[in-house]
Amino acid sequence: GAGVSQSPSNKVTEKGKDVELRCDPISGHTALYWYRQSLGQGLEFLIYFQGNSAPDKSGLPSDRFSAERTGGSVSTLTIQRTQQEDSAVYLCASSLGIGGIEQFFGPGTRLTVL
Amino acid sequence: KQEVTQIPAALSVPEGENLVLNCSFTDSAIYNLQWFRQDPGKGLTSLLLIQSSQREQTSGRLNASLDKSSGRSTLYIAASQPGDSATYLCAVSSNTGKLIFGQGTTLQVKP
Repeated sequence: GAGVSQSPSNKVTEKGKDVELRCDPISGHTALYWYRQSLGQGLEFLIYFQGNSAPDKSGLPSDRFSAERTGGSVSTLTIQRTQQEDSAVYLCASSLGIGGIEQFFGPGTRLTVL
Repeated sequence: KQEVTQIPAALSVPEGENLVLNCSFTDSAIYNLQWFRQDPGKGLTSLLLIQSSQREQTSGRLNASLDKSSGRSTLYIAASQPGDSATYLCAVSSNTGKLIFGQGTTLQVKP
């Protein structure tokens, strides 16, 4: 596909369960970002990957959140022992590089924790 | 810590009006500023990107300006249409590319 894709589009889970969210960036984009959009907090940066460099995890809200990027392409965001405050839309973006390069966003995954 | 503010939070105008959305940021050390559009239940669509060395960018009926020293940007929409109704988000980028977003301006253009 031409754009960033994310799956699933919607996820409903019970409190305490683990969830995995997937992001397929635009082919050839070396930088990949995860953001979270919630009603009370707006859009917040979570983590980014750039090439083979160590990821910047400075935005992850707790150690229940982790992400990996395999083969420099697909990324998975994992939330362990989900809490109701984790309910949000999780957005992924990719770009050709970092520092002043336009980011392209996927449609997001809406996570609801019951 | 960089903070981005957008004013107004909501705006309702009749079709055909020209309008201005405002964005301000507290730290002028930015790499670029990006304006996005978000439709309800959808992701973000990039509208315009202004590099820190630039003063403005134009795309069709949209014009975005950047005054880095004063920490301000405006998005000008000419001859608004009902299809322009959406939430408009402003975001500034550091050298790592991390985007810091404003809370957005929700625009309604009435036919």
